[in-house]
Amino acid sequence: QVLLQPSGPGLVKPSETLSLTCTVSGGSLSNYYWSWIRQPPGKGLEWIGYIYFRGHTDYSPSLKGRATISVDTSKNQFSLNLNSVTAADTAVYYCARDRSGNYYVSGSFDNWGEGILVTVSS
Amino acid sequence: DIQMTQSPSSLSASLGDRVTITCRASQSIDNYLNWYQQKPGKAPNLLIYAASVLQGAVPSRFSGSGSGADFTLTISSLQPEDFATYYCQQSYDSPFTFGPGTKVDIK
Repeated sequence: QVLLQPSGPGLVKPSETLSLTCTVSGGSLSNYYWSWIRQPPGKGLEWIGYIYFRGHTDYSPSLKGRATISVDTSKNQFSLNLNSVTAADTAVYYCARDRSGNYYVSGSFDNWGEGILVTVSS
Repeated sequence: DIQMTQSPSSLSASLGDRVTITCRASQSIDNYLNWYQQKPGKAPNLLIYAASVLQGAVPSRFSGSGSGADFTLTISSLQPEDFATYYCQQSYDSPFTFGPGTKVDIK
């Protein structure tokens, strides 16, 4: 069973950069797409973007270019940087694996990390 | 972006009830529709992908149907562990978007 464990600061100041890392254990990053998804408190789910293990990325336009996802296959980790954060970026952030283990992205998510609450506040 | 809507936003049901949740996309998404269950404080869990395919060990009381823009999730006989919020999500095109959710609670 693949386990995803997000880590990072739980509090970020406005205008600064939110940085999270997802460590994957029990399996390899290879051949999969890996996503970040967030959920503001009491609200619904928003897909942020994905990265393929070889480095190809795609992002939601709603983030207006503020998000960057990177991968480190040597550490079996992928990361999210979100710059110029505001209170609207306060959310539980999830890392998740795409269901497809082939070279294409299915866009459905079959393995999720436990979620990490990030609060943007001074 | 493809917009997803769900109805109802919440419902109250009893154990053993048949429950149906509907999801509509703002355009045709073929069968690129997924359903998730989320319990409080937990990550979502994939129930159904490709509109009607049960994921892994998901119980057979869950079923999905539909294609194009209109979809349904049915729980044939509601069990105690089914009280949760259910989200639909389209994977037809990026950005992948979710519906607002349907909360199922105990009557």
